[in-house]
Amino acid sequence: QVQLQESGPGLVNPSETLSLTCTVSGYSLTSGSYWGWIRQPPGKGLEWIGIIYRSGSTYYNPSLKSRVTLSVDTSRNQFSLKVTSVTAADTAIYYCTRDRDTGNAYRPKGFDYWGQGTLVTVSS
Amino acid sequence: QSALTQPPSASGSPGQSVTISCTGTSSDVVGYNFVSWYQQHPGKAPKLMIYEVTKRPSGVPDRFSASKSGNTASLTVSGLQAEDEADYYCSSYADSNNVLFGGGTKLTVL
Repeated sequence: QVQLQESGPGLVNPSETLSLTCTVSGYSLTSGSYWGWIRQPPGKGLEWIGIIYRSGSTYYNPSLKSRVTLSVDTSRNQFSLKVTSVTAADTAIYYCTRDRDTGNAYRPKGFDYWGQGTLVTVSS
Repeated sequence: QSALTQPPSASGSPGQSVTISCTGTSSDVVGYNFVSWYQQHPGKAPKLMIYEVTKRPSGVPDRFSASKSGNTASLTVSGLQAEDEADYYCSSYADSNNVLFGGGTKLTVL
């Protein structure tokens, strides 16, 4: 059974960097699939942040690309998200997810596993 | 790139069918067969219901079906049940390796 669990600070100061880690169990990151992040401001819709392959190849939402970095640590079976220069608009529930796609060129085949989500509030 | 367009709400009585639309452009829905649909109950993570326009993951009831025509993808829920009441989001692959979501549709079972 594949399980994902987000971890990281629930409160971040404006202008600082938001950092989250997703720990995967029941599936090795080296086996394939794409691993990504999706966020949801309270009471609002979903927004795709980006995705990373086991090789380290990354794809980002163009509207966030300048502030977002994804990385993967296969030795710990974890992948991470960093968002720099955060503002109140970055306040959201952040979900880590797995995409079913296993090809070398990303073609989304559905986010089939999700973490429970973690609320990150940007406020001083 | 703008979000995909969904109606904010939809409703139906138990046993009825309801269809939720998702409108995009030539840069996303029209250009690619990578449309997915997600169900989200309050306080829960979304659940994948449909992928690659029409495919159902294992475990999703066949009451859920989907299609695409032109710039509009659609999700149909047949034989509505109380537990189908939730928010539904469509998603599509888009140009430049982007993924777009719709604004979400709140489905109410009357």
